Amino acid sequence: QQQVKQSPQSLIVQKGGISIINCAYENTAFDYFPWYQQFPGKGPALLIAIRPDVSEKKEGRFTISFNKSAKQFSLHIMDSQPGDSATYFCAARGSSGSARQLTFGSGTQLTVLP
Amino acid sequence: GAGVSQSPRYKVAKRGQDVALRCDPISGHVSLFWYQQALGQGPEFLTYFQNEAQLDKSGLPSDRFFAERPEGSVSTLKIQRTQQEDSAVYLCASSLGPDSPLHFGNGTRLTVT
Repeated sequence: QQQVKQSPQSLIVQKGGISIINCAYENTAFDYFPWYQQFPGKGPALLIAIRPDVSEKKEGRFTISFNKSAKQFSLHIMDSQPGDSATYFCAARGSSGSARQLTFGSGTQLTVLP
Repeated sequence: GAGVSQSPRYKVAKRGQDVALRCDPISGHVSLFWYQQALGQGPEFLTYFQNEAQLDKSGLPSDRFFAERPEGSVSTLKIQRTQQEDSAVYLCASSLGPDSPLHFGNGTRLTVT
């Protein structure tokens, strides 16, 4: 059972454009929602994260929007740059017990054209 | 550096061989996780340690997989009698505590021929 569904699978954006990646989750016990960026041959690196008590969090060009009632959250990359070309993963984590691990989406391969 | 270190970076094993993958977490990090990442997929949870205690091993796909962290720092993931379906990148991640952000290593790419 896929607990975190991510879309699109791939995304091509022109330099300077906005990249938007969406995720939906099923488990209402999730209370921490990070986004990771992964370059080829590297491990995932934390980009930005949000908890469900806020609807939006912004860090530089990266913004997470969170809709608790719809159980959806999205990553917006403003002024996308070729250096942003990577695979992006959303994830979710529970608050206690055996739910401490992150559950990842299937990833979005972003290509930013120069 | 001060990041999570994994070795070897690449491992080729013949089907049926045993392999051992090592993870050196960031110093002082209490929590340690192992994930398996198949090509083109997101990481999938294998097991979780808090200090030397293995608190969750629900993600280990079979009894051929075994992980340990005897002194609460370095961890080893062992796969016995490797199969082709074990081919993947094995990622280790550590954090200060269970509620802290995870820091990933660059993984070990295992290829079983």
